Amino acid sequence: DTGVSQNPRHKITKRGQNVTFRCDPISEHNRLYWYRQTLGQGPEFLTYFQNEAQLEKSRLLSDRFSAERPKGSFSTLEIQRTEQGDSAMYLCASSSGGQGGKNIQYFGAGTRLSVL
Amino acid sequence: AQKVTQAQTEISVVEKEDVTLDCVYETRDTTYYLFWYKQPPSGELVFLIRRNSFDEQNEISGRYSWNFQKSTSSFNFTITASQVVDSAVYFCALSDPRGGGSQGNLIFGKGTKLSVKP
Repeated sequence: DTGVSQNPRHKITKRGQNVTFRCDPISEHNRLYWYRQTLGQGPEFLTYFQNEAQLEKSRLLSDRFSAERPKGSFSTLEIQRTEQGDSAMYLCASSSGGQGGKNIQYFGAGTRLSVL
Repeated sequence: AQKVTQAQTEISVVEKEDVTLDCVYETRDTTYYLFWYKQPPSGELVFLIRRNSFDEQNEISGRYSWNFQKSTSSFNFTITASQVVDSAVYFCALSDPRGGGSQGNLIFGKGTKLSVKP
């Protein structure tokens, strides 16, 4: 399978716990994006990496959220002290280089987080 | 501000009917890209089409066709002879034009849920 892979697919946690999600992009893609999708809404941008550099963070990304892409390959998204409002689908996408606006982003199946 | 509006929340059709999904966008940028994605129940967003702001030619791919009209800021999607497998949520998206589009973040509409009944 050469698509974008996300793990775990589902995560149930108790409020206040920390959670970490992983995204493995398409191997030759240097750009990686995280989005959050709540029920009945479209995905909303969280953050973006070009190689290992985190170039942009949305205001949606509170200080409880942190993302890394240490070697420019896979990425992790950590949420500390989870809140019920963090319950959502977290989507990862990757794309190849060049001017970003035209690049096609390929998405993973997402990690569905439920905070009890 | 950049915005994508998909006014149709849900559409239900019977198999073999044609259906059009509407998308209206707002942007102040002159160079931008528009996309359609399909999200089946499995959750993965599947890329369908990309269109740049300078290409207003309509496009057809099998049973799918897209009508881009810059004058009305619309990028509508038509499925001809719909099938049950077309049932999904369809999203229209606009590339974030900040920095000349260098980041490429996508701004999505809220999606249209299409149900095709046999």
